[in-house]
Amino acid sequence: AQKVTQAQTEISVVEKEDVTLDCVYETRDTTYYLFWYKQPPSGELVFLIRRNSFDEQNEISGRYSWNFQKSTSSFNFTITASQVVDSAVYFCALSEKDFNKFYFGSGTKLNVKP
Amino acid sequence: NAGVTQTPKFRILKIGQSMTLQCTQDMNHNYMYWYRQDPGMGLKLIYYSVGAGITDKGEVPNGYNVSRSTTEDFPLRLELAAPSQTSVYFCASSYGYTGELFFGEGSRLTVL
Repeated sequence: AQKVTQAQTEISVVEKEDVTLDCVYETRDTTYYLFWYKQPPSGELVFLIRRNSFDEQNEISGRYSWNFQKSTSSFNFTITASQVVDSAVYFCALSEKDFNKFYFGSGTKLNVKP
Repeated sequence: NAGVTQTPKFRILKIGQSMTLQCTQDMNHNYMYWYRQDPGMGLKLIYYSVGAGITDKGEVPNGYNVSRSTTEDFPLRLELAAPSQTSVYFCASSYGYTGELFFGEGSRLTVL
């Protein structure tokens, strides 16, 4: 069965601090995809990144970076020099290869204080 | 730039009532999904569709029905509403080959 675990329910940091959001997944599939979505206070979910199971290269996009490690079944998300606008709930998700079903973690609420 | 549009945004139902949540997308996406989000929980898949005329159950389909008569529309029907169906409902769509989901703004449903 597919499962995504985000053990951190809520994290609070002060602006400019770095913060890492953890994501651990379970799947028996050899082909799968991992995602991160952001849900700001307005409520709408926004896509951040997609990674396939064959691509373990880390990715950096501005202040955001993602670390994918198949050996530990983890797909962690780091925000460098956090800003107040980063305050949101962040969801990690796992999809089967055909994208029919997505399995979401319970989310991590990030509070960035000025 | 409408994207995915859900209506209504808020609704209060009495136990036993029925209603339909509407979802329309204008991006010509083949794949559409309905999720529910309960407090402190992730999103749970209710139903999904990979194209007009094709629907399938997700993780939590009981108490719901869907139809997909057109590419654009994917309504979610709640029959005999129960307090356990109090939740925020999200409709999403995607091309199906990228996996990137585009979400609507959500519909907050309360069953009293």
